[in-house]
Amino acid sequence: GAVVSQHPSRVICKSGTSVKIECRSLDFQATTMFWYRQFPKQSLMLMATSNEGSKATYEQGVEKDKFLINHASLTLSTLTVTSAHPEDSSFYICSAWDEGGYTFGSGTRLTVV
Amino acid sequence: GDSVTQMEGPVTLSEEAFLTINCTYTATGYPSLFWYVQYPGEGLQLLLKATKADDKGSNKGFEATYRKETTSFHLEKGSVQVSDSAVYFCALKLGSQGNLIFGKGTKLSVKP
Repeated sequence: GAVVSQHPSRVICKSGTSVKIECRSLDFQATTMFWYRQFPKQSLMLMATSNEGSKATYEQGVEKDKFLINHASLTLSTLTVTSAHPEDSSFYICSAWDEGGYTFGSGTRLTVV
Repeated sequence: GDSVTQMEGPVTLSEEAFLTINCTYTATGYPSLFWYVQYPGEGLQLLLKATKADDKGSNKGFEATYRKETTSFHLEKGSVQVSDSAVYFCALKLGSQGNLIFGKGTKLSVKP
């Protein structure tokens, strides 16, 4: 079946630095990918929809200059958390639509210290 | 707006007990409905789905029936195992490639 690879699985960074998270569709082409954020004991909140070759669509309240999304190819979308702060610490998950349904990456645990 | 409401956890059961996790939805159209499972430290995996009213999704002993009249999609399993311990998310999707809208998740712990 469809596989989405997300990397890294865990990252710890210092406050003020930037972190890039990659999401790759391994055996299918994904024109659209989704980025979610999951807070402890809460549901997944859609942050943005990433469209290949065009600008991402951000959900209300998500800072586009802070969470930079690039979808340069049909198999790769990246999320860069710029100037990270402790409040950005969270679990980030990407997903892609394949004809069989949505496939999720395994997630990235970001800790900002 | 469109939303999903599922029972709050955590739910703690003994092995071989019967499981029900309630899920109701509000949608302006005719959504597809999903249950996803998240094992500790992992991403989400599709457990089952139903795309129209009265459809029953099933997988790994879990079942859920799309009830339009009660706008519900309750998850059930007749006999849970320790390995079923995870967080379960109910979700809906409108349109062919619309984004998923998730409930808050229900943590299930199964004790031996």
